[in-house]
Amino acid sequence: QTVVTQEPSLTVSPGGTVTLTCASSTGAVTSGYYPKWFQQKPGQPPRALIYSTNNRHPWTPARFSGSLLGGKAALTLSGVQPEDEAEYYCLLYYGGAEVVFGGGTKLTVL
Amino acid sequence: QVQLQQWGAGLLKPSETLSLTCAVYGGSFSGYYWTWIRQSQGKGLEWIGEINHGGSTNYNSSLKSRVTISVDTSKNLFSLNLTSVTAADTAVYYCARDRHYGDFDYWGQGTLVTVSS
Repeated sequence: QTVVTQEPSLTVSPGGTVTLTCASSTGAVTSGYYPKWFQQKPGQPPRALIYSTNNRHPWTPARFSGSLLGGKAALTLSGVQPEDEAEYYCLLYYGGAEVVFGGGTKLTVL
Repeated sequence: QVQLQQWGAGLLKPSETLSLTCAVYGGSFSGYYWTWIRQSQGKGLEWIGEINHGGSTNYNSSLKSRVTISVDTSKNLFSLNLTSVTAADTAVYYCARDRHYGDFDYWGQGTLVTVSS
């Protein structure tokens, strides 16, 4: 059973910078896992932010950036806004159509 | 502008079959995989399976024995059937478009399905 692990919760001040990470139980995350990031607010479906490690969708603000960091996928928010308070999920591709979501990080802007 | 609109029964009894349908408006129906994902309190987000316009399917191995996803290309819609449901299948079910290896860029609004006797 493949497990994808994220920080359960993080807190950041408005205007600050925060990095969320995404680890795989199978080992180091590489670009071959095509890491993706989603944002979800209460009562809404997830919204795609980042695909294939570091590519933004047209609607993704430039303050969101994706990368690989220390064997994990990472999502960095720079200049955090109050509206960025949400749950963030990563997703990794394991081949053969298998994809696994992380457990999510609840980001509080305080 | 791509929109996904989903519908189906929201309350089921144990052992019944869950049936949901998702209609796709705007954009091309071919060239993508059309996906079902669920979200429960206990297990978070879980990929259920997918189908393309040609009817080729992939399923989560943990649900494969109970899941069927079908497509109606004449109406640009796809459907999910999950048999023999239990309380563990209680979740919000989403349909979504998969551009590439899990790049779910457009989502339906979600349907809460509750399994209770």
